[in-house]
Parts: sequence; structure tokens; C-alpha cells
Amino acid sequence: KQEVTQIPAALSVPEGENLVLNCSFTDSAIYNLQWFRQDPGKGLTSLLLIQSSQREQTSGRLNASLDKSSGRSTLYIAASQPGDSATYLCASDNAGGTSYGKLTFGQGTILTVHP
Amino acid sequence: EAGVTQFPSHSVIEKGQTVTLRCDPISGHDNLYWYRRVMGKEIKFLLHFVKESKQDESGMPNNRFLAERTGGTYSTLKVQPAELEDSGVYFCASSLVDNSPLHFGNGTRLTVT
Repeated sequence: KQEVTQIPAALSVPEGENLVLNCSFTDSAIYNLQWFRQDPGKGLTSLLLIQSSQREQTSGRLNASLDKSSGRSTLYIAASQPGDSATYLCASDNAGGTSYGKLTFGQGTILTVHP
Repeated sequence: EAGVTQFPSHSVIEKGQTVTLRCDPISGHDNLYWYRRVMGKEIKFLLHFVKESKQDESGMPNNRFLAERTGGTYSTLKVQPAELEDSGVYFCASSLVDNSPLHFGNGTRLTVT
């Protein structure tokens, strides 16, 4: 059974810092690894999806890496801004199931970027 | 393009009552998913539709939960009768094709008293 762990649980940084959020998973047999952002009272917004054959994906100030052999993914946020404050969730789409989209989520990292 | 919409946004019901949640996926998305987050826990998969067919319902907690997707468009999730432990946020998501990003709705916050 896949287990996904996110460290740290919460992070508070001053504006402008570069930061790294960590995600680890126990079963390397995955289709992909997805990073989401959730704002209070809102749904999840997809940030990046890394296919199992890929090593990283980039979108603007965000870069996500995937190391299947070690069961790890990191989300790098460059030059953080107060608007980046949210909960960040990683989720694995596990191979061996009956379909895609059956995601296993971590508990999330609550990020606060203060001016 | 309209996103995934869910109705209602909040629902407060008494134990033993029935509640029906609705999800409208993004137009053209054949894949539709239900997830939920109970207090203090991570988000967990409930089930997956491909068009009107249930592809995977392994995450459904018990037979008090019934999901339908008539005509392959919107979906409903009925809880009957509701129990206290059913309280949480129920999310719906859709995707265009396999192995593509899931688009989530804002969720329905269900409180059972």
C-alpha cells in the first residue's frame, strides 16, 4: 500500500527566499507524481505533473523533481512571494491499479510567506 | 472554460438523514473522480467513473454511499443514512485523458450532527 509523506508540515519564510518542499513515497511503481496547491476554502489547483519516465518539470518559478529509485520528489519555489502562501500537496498516481487518477495524497505542507 | 463545479458548497444535516452531492466536470472530460478529506486526515480516493461506468469504486467506505453518473455528464454522490464519521470535505475532480492532470472542484463541506 502506497504511503506518501510530506516534510515539513509547515513552513514560514520571508518574502524573496528560495524554498524546497519535500515529498516521499514508499512504492516506486507510479504512473506519475503530481503537485497541487490548495488555498483556504478552495479546491486543489494542479501545479506540476511529472511522468514516471521524467526527472523534472518546470513552470515559472516552480520546479519539481522526481527520483523514483529513492522514492522522493521535491518542489522548488524560487523567489517566494506572499501570494505563494497556501497548502501544497503531493500525490502519486499508482501503477498496478485498475485505472489512472487513483491518487494517494500526502498530508500537505502549509506555506506562509510573509512580507 | 468552466472548471469543475460542485453543489452545495456546504451542507449540515442530522445523523440518519440523506444528502446528495453534485459534481459537474469540465465539459468533455470522460474521467470523473470523487475524493474526500475527513478531519485531520489526508485526502482519499473514493471512486472513478469513465463516462457513465464505474471504473474503480474501491475507496467507497460502505454501502451507505452511492455514486451515479447518468449519461456520462454530471455525477451525484448520495449518503444514506449519514453518520457522524461521514463529516468532511468531498471533492470531485475530472481529467481529459488518462495520465493527465486532475482538475478539482472547490469541494462540498459536509457536517453531520
